[in-house]
Amino acid sequence: NAGVTQTPKFQVLKTGQSMTLQCAQDMNHNSMYWYRQDPGMGLRLIYYSASEGTTDKGEVPNGYNVSRLNKREFSLRLESAAPSQTSVYFCASSEREWAFFGQGTRLTVV
Amino acid sequence: GNSVTQMEGPVTLSEEAFLTINCTYTATGYPSLFWYVQYPGEGLQLLLKATKADDKGSNKGFEATYRKETTSFHLEKGSVQVSDSAVYFCALPHNAGNMLTFGGGTRLMVKP
Repeated sequence: NAGVTQTPKFQVLKTGQSMTLQCAQDMNHNSMYWYRQDPGMGLRLIYYSASEGTTDKGEVPNGYNVSRLNKREFSLRLESAAPSQTSVYFCASSEREWAFFGQGTRLTVV
Repeated sequence: GNSVTQMEGPVTLSEEAFLTINCTYTATGYPSLFWYVQYPGEGLQLLLKATKADDKGSNKGFEATYRKETTSFHLEKGSVQVSDSAVYFCALPHNAGNMLTFGGGTRLMVKP
């Protein structure tokens, strides 16, 4: 079982560049999430999607957009990257209250 | 909304020592409570859970008891191993629905 797959694993961007982080799950889950993890701050929710066709803002949505392309895929886009967006990004999916996480994307914005 | 507070790390222990990582929560009602573990370079994995008051979750030698009187869900292990070195997160549902709120994480380092 692949579970939750994120690509890429590592990325370096220059300030102002754009990119899309991809996430796919093969567990037929309705809910999907994007979190960012920063040192000393735990995980903070960026956006979530309770079901195909719906998306909602989380705790720290500014500077990001998302697309729930279908039930499997949930992408996160940075339109104009900023150094403050340097972080590790995790995608997760869930059907009940416990979530399954991808291995993360380590993003550095210089 | 619901929230969780856990002890700051790092926690450094010798192999076979007893481990406690404190977690307290603020919640409406009695939501399920979770501990997740993150090994180096990996995503989070569910370690254990408890779905109602007085439940004890357990897995891989770790235990946590859902105590509504003290609003706590402390993680314990009687004898830690080097392989337990990781970051541990306490979590609970944000409000209604599946979205989780996480504590800040506690890094555990176990020395041989």
